This record gives sequence, structure tokens and C-alpha cells, in this order.
Amino acid sequence: DVKVTQSSRYLVKRTGEKVFLECVQDMDHENMFWYRQDPGLGLRLIYFSYDVKMKEKGDIPEGYSVSREKKERFSLILESASTNQTSMYLCASSPSAGGGTEAFFGQGTRLTVV
Amino acid sequence: GENVEQHPSTLSVQEGDSAVIKCTYSDSASNYFPWYKQELGKRPQLIIDIRSNVGEKKDQRIAVTLNKTAKHFSLHITETQPEDSAVYFCAASISGNTPLVFGKGTRLSVIA
Repeated sequence: DVKVTQSSRYLVKRTGEKVFLECVQDMDHENMFWYRQDPGLGLRLIYFSYDVKMKEKGDIPEGYSVSREKKERFSLILESASTNQTSMYLCASSPSAGGGTEAFFGQGTRLTVV
Repeated sequence: GENVEQHPSTLSVQEGDSAVIKCTYSDSASNYFPWYKQELGKRPQLIIDIRSNVGEKKDQRIAVTLNKTAKHFSLHITETQPEDSAVYFCAASISGNTPLVFGKGTRLSVIA
């Protein structure tokens, strides 16, 4: 079974704090993704990585950065948390292939910024 | 880039009836179309997918159809049951190294 594990299920942080969300996958997948989920807006891509030390901006990268130092780990960083970053954050991974492939999701981190 | 539209945003059906959710995509190069189900408080999970060289795929009570010319694909659930109640997301991608682009989701409620 593919396992994608996010380090925290719930987080409460203060405005202006630097926040780290960690994600680890155990299936040697090349691709990793960070999505943000808000009611009525679906899943919006923040950043993705298709290889170690590689990163690409998604649709809503402002206020976020990422780090991928090892293949199995992909971190999302909120440089200075703001209340509008209160949301559910979902990490996902997928194998690289010629065509599209299934993405496997973590359980999500519900972040509240106060 | 790719844009995926999903309708309806909410859907209520009586138990035993069928449910249909429709999605359209903008990039004709997209070739992979998965559907995810997200139950309350849980992670999205793949329930069925289809590739652009196939027009229809079935798995028990669920089926997906794809019309490449019109750039739309649909999820069909027959004989709905209360446990089908969830949020369903469609998605599209071009290749193995491009991210899935998701629709905004459909909240399906099956009324017993």
C-alpha cells in the first residue's frame, strides 16, 4: 500500500510565524505535490516537484515555498503565516510515467492561523 | 494551462437512483482523467480513471465516459447507496510529469 504521511493533522499558528508542513511518501515516487483545499474552490495546486531539488510553481504559490532535499520528503513552508492561509493542506505523490498517473494523497493538515 | 470545470456543485438523489457528474477540460493534450472520492474528514481516493484512447470504462456501479471531441467526461453512479455520499472531484493531466488539475468538486448526498 502506498503511504503518504503528513506530519500533523491539525496545527494552530500565530500570524507572522514561519510554518513547516512535512510530507513523506514510501513508494519511491518521483512526483510530489502540495494542494490547498477550500470549500467551493476544490483542490488548488501550490507547488510541485518532479525530482529531488526540483520545484515548480503551481497556481497559487504566493506566500509559500517548498523544499525537497530527499526523494521521499516534500516540505511546504509558509514564510510568514497570515490568516488567509487558514486552510486544509493536502500533500500527494505519484510515479512518473509516459501518461498521467494516479496521485496518492496524505491525510491532510488543517492549519489555522490566528 | 489546463482548466477543468465540474457540474453540479451539489447533487441530491434518492437511494437507488442514478447520479451523473459532468466535467469539461480545456487542453486537448490532456490524456488522463481520474475521479476521486473524498468522504468527510478523509483523504481523496481514486475510484476510477480513464485514458484518452478509451471512450468508456466501468467498475461495478460506477462508470466514466469520455468525449474527446467535445472535451468532456462524466461519472455515472448507478443504484446509489448512502455510503456513496461524499465529495467527488474530477481531474485531468497531460503527462506523467504534469500535475493533476482538479474540478471544484461535487457534493453528492444520497437520501435513504
